Amino acid sequence: DMKVTQMPRYLIKRMGENVLLECGQDMSHETMYWYRQDPGLGLQLIYISYDVDSNSEGDIPKGYRVSRKKREHFSLILDSAKTNQTSVYFCASSFSQNTLYFGAGTRLSVL
Amino acid sequence: GDSVTQTEGQVALSEEDFLTIHCNYSASGYPTLFWYVQYPGEGPQLLFRASRDKEKGSSRGFEATYDKGTTSFHLRKASVQESDSAVYYCALSGAGNTGKLIFGLGTTLQVQP
Repeated sequence: DMKVTQMPRYLIKRMGENVLLECGQDMSHETMYWYRQDPGLGLQLIYISYDVDSNSEGDIPKGYRVSRKKREHFSLILDSAKTNQTSVYFCASSFSQNTLYFGAGTRLSVL
Repeated sequence: GDSVTQTEGQVALSEEDFLTIHCNYSASGYPTLFWYVQYPGEGPQLLFRASRDKEKGSSRGFEATYDKGTTSFHLRKASVQESDSAVYYCALSGAGNTGKLIFGLGTTLQVQP
């Protein structure tokens, strides 16, 4: 069963705290992504990873970093979270760098 | 750079109405075009895609035809149901096979019973 799993689903943090969002996929997909979704702005690409330790900035990487040490696992890290990072974060993976499979999302609130 | 424009931000219809959501793109060559659908509380999921001029994609009664002449990929459905209420995203694969998808801003479809 092809699946992208995101943990946690909901998270509340205080400004300045560190945040770790985790994503796993069971399809052995090479490429993984982190997007954020905000009202009126659609889906914005934060980072893309082409394989283990092969990461590339997306359109809005500032304030974020990523880690991919295993093909099936991709983490998004917010060092010292800011209130404007309150959003819904989606992880996705793809095999042919074409069709994306998305997780259910993590709703992050930074107070 | 490449871009996708969805004209309608929100669409409100009644069941059995005809649906059109407009999608126009700007890109060089022949990008792959996609329609994704996002139901409440879920991530987007692929509805269908098309890779060549005049190719029709279809799924679940929805369809769209790749038109390079008008740089369009409009989504249509002849008779919508309440269960079709969702957000619909048009997208294209960026140049250079980078794996980056460029999404439109999305269209929220609300279907009343």
